Amino acid sequence: ETGVTQTPRHLVMGMTNKKSLKCEQHLGHNAMYWYKQSAKKPLELMFVYSLEERVENNSVPSRFSPECPNSSHLFLHLHTLQPEDSALYLCASSQNSRGAYNEQFFGPGTRLTVL
Amino acid sequence: GNSVTQMEGPVTLSEEAFLTINCTYTATGYPSLFWYVQYPGEGLQLLLKATKADDKGSNKGFEATYRKETTSFHLEKGSVQVSDSAVYFCALSDPGGNNRLAFGKGNQVVVIP
Repeated sequence: ETGVTQTPRHLVMGMTNKKSLKCEQHLGHNAMYWYKQSAKKPLELMFVYSLEERVENNSVPSRFSPECPNSSHLFLHLHTLQPEDSALYLCASSQNSRGAYNEQFFGPGTRLTVL
Repeated sequence: GNSVTQMEGPVTLSEEAFLTINCTYTATGYPSLFWYVQYPGEGLQLLLKATKADDKGSNKGFEATYRKETTSFHLEKGSVQVSDSAVYFCALSDPGGNNRLAFGKGNQVVVIP
């Protein structure tokens, strides 16, 4: 595997379910990001991790819970979601999270549908 | 704050036509500017970038020039192909150097044979 991978690619869940999205980067990067992509809206940055430490949380509801066990893996745990949470969730990584801009490399995303 | 504005609506054009997608930005400092492309079923890929005023980014026949005086970074391609059908996002990096990107809403481009 190369680049940034995400699983599953598609997920349908009920509002009472608990599920997790997984992201893995094979680039040796130190920073990882979760974005939400909704129709007709700009990409929204949700969380930023640097060296496994959360460095940013952009007012995301607590029903989204990120986890970064090591610099290569990032999870997004989901529970009691709402239909408006249906979106494409994108993971990205970059060499670092601060300093001069480092290119962010994106995974293919998980298409989430909440019923 | 920092923001990016892209022209509204999808863009549909014929193969070999000229493509322009407008992008303007608002920033408190001196950001770097980017165009990302998202092909169907894939994540975003960096298409080109420019880091200072008057820089021109180019890749795969696409070009964009960083215009500080008009705060713009319009994307152009002289002759599009069907394979250029995708969603194109303009973005800027936070001038504060924390590696954060602000994206526009994106433009769907459909190239018809």
